[in-house]
Amino acid sequence: DVKVTQSSRYLVKRTGEKVFLECVQDMDHENMFWYRQDPGLGLRLIYFSYDVKMKEKGDIPEGYSVSREKKERFSLILESASTNQTSMYLCASSLVTAGYTFGSGTRLTVV
Amino acid sequence: GNSVTQMEGPVTLSEEAFLTINCTYTATGYPSLFWYVQYPGEGLQLLLKATKADDKGSNKGFEATYRKETTSFHLEKGSVQVSDSAVYFCALMGNNDMRFGAGTRLTVKP
Repeated sequence: DVKVTQSSRYLVKRTGEKVFLECVQDMDHENMFWYRQDPGLGLRLIYFSYDVKMKEKGDIPEGYSVSREKKERFSLILESASTNQTSMYLCASSLVTAGYTFGSGTRLTVV
Repeated sequence: GNSVTQMEGPVTLSEEAFLTINCTYTATGYPSLFWYVQYPGEGLQLLLKATKADDKGSNKGFEATYRKETTSFHLEKGSVQVSDSAVYFCALMGNNDMRFGAGTRLTVKP
């Protein structure tokens, strides 16, 4: 089975810190995605990538950036964390025409 | 653009009750349709999918039929269990872009 691994299940960071969320997949998928999940808002797409060193903005990219230096790894970066970025962050990967495989999520709290 | 609308929750049922969670979609072309399930504290897991009209996806007693004429993909289960308590997401994939519904929280009481 495809595995998508997010490095942390829970994180607590201070306002203004630079935060890195890491995601690794082990099945050579081309596509990788970062979502945030908030109550009543469902999943909102932050950034996605269809190839190494390629990135595209999703619906809510403000305050975030991403890095994809290797095919298997897709990092989400909060340049200066703020309390409104407290959320559950979900990484996913997929082949071009298949459904998504999700990681277990990282629950980030910014204090 | 493509979008998915699913019934708002929360839904609370007794064990062995019949479950329906409604999902309708708007899309151009011929999207694939999915149901994902999220158990407490976990990420989303693929529950079932259908890739063309009249296909029926099924898994773990859950079923959904891709109805092009009504643009729907309703999730059903004949007899729910306490272990089915989770949040269920309907999703659509068209042009390599996945769109999710807002999620429906299901609680099953013994």
